[in-house]
Amino acid sequence: GAGVSQSPRYKVAKRGQDVALRCDPISGHVSLFWYQQALGQGPEFLTYFQNEAQLDKSGLPSDRFFAERPEGSVSTLKIQRTQQEDSAVYLCASSLVPGGSYNSPLHFGNGTRLTVT
Amino acid sequence: KNEVEQSPQNLTAQEGEFITINCSYSVGISALHWLQQHPGGGIVSLFMLSSGKKKHGRLIATINIQEKHSSLHITASHPRDSAVYICAVYGAGSYQLTFGKGTKLSVIP
Repeated sequence: GAGVSQSPRYKVAKRGQDVALRCDPISGHVSLFWYQQALGQGPEFLTYFQNEAQLDKSGLPSDRFFAERPEGSVSTLKIQRTQQEDSAVYLCASSLVPGGSYNSPLHFGNGTRLTVT
Repeated sequence: KNEVEQSPQNLTAQEGEFITINCSYSVGISALHWLQQHPGGGIVSLFMLSSGKKKHGRLIATINIQEKHSSLHITASHPRDSAVYICAVYGAGSYQLTFGKGTKLSVIP
């Protein structure tokens, strides 16, 4: 596709419900990042994939958060037993080269706004 | 503690004004991003720079590595420039971006 696509754009979940957020990166992009952006804050790193390998998940806030990218393209961020503090915009970004760098800018999706009630 | 600080947090300007947004960081970096985020949530990369100055249309970004400071300037501001502008840095040798909290710009006709 022309850009990074995320779905759904908006998700309302009841506390305790499981949710799955999808990211379609730009075709051929090796690196994929997930970020969490709370209201009025800058995005914060969640996890990083290089192709299908999850090389860094240090930013995942709890074991209720799980991400995968099984074929090295589409990625899914899953949140189990959602809590109100999970309410945020979840952003996906991809980059052509491993790790992302000065020579290969990040391309961001429009995000999924999750509201947990 | 946020390693990337932006100022001001909010900025309202009249159409046509010259605008400056500042970013200071406390760690060694390999590069700095200026990003634009519209109310719909999507983020667009405006500039990535590691030294000097870059210009694109009415936008100018500068960075002073020694002072750990960068500025984003908008000349002849327009209401369509209204957005949140975010500064983000790549730590030296790191692929992780550390983001500032953003500066919300409103340009009034």
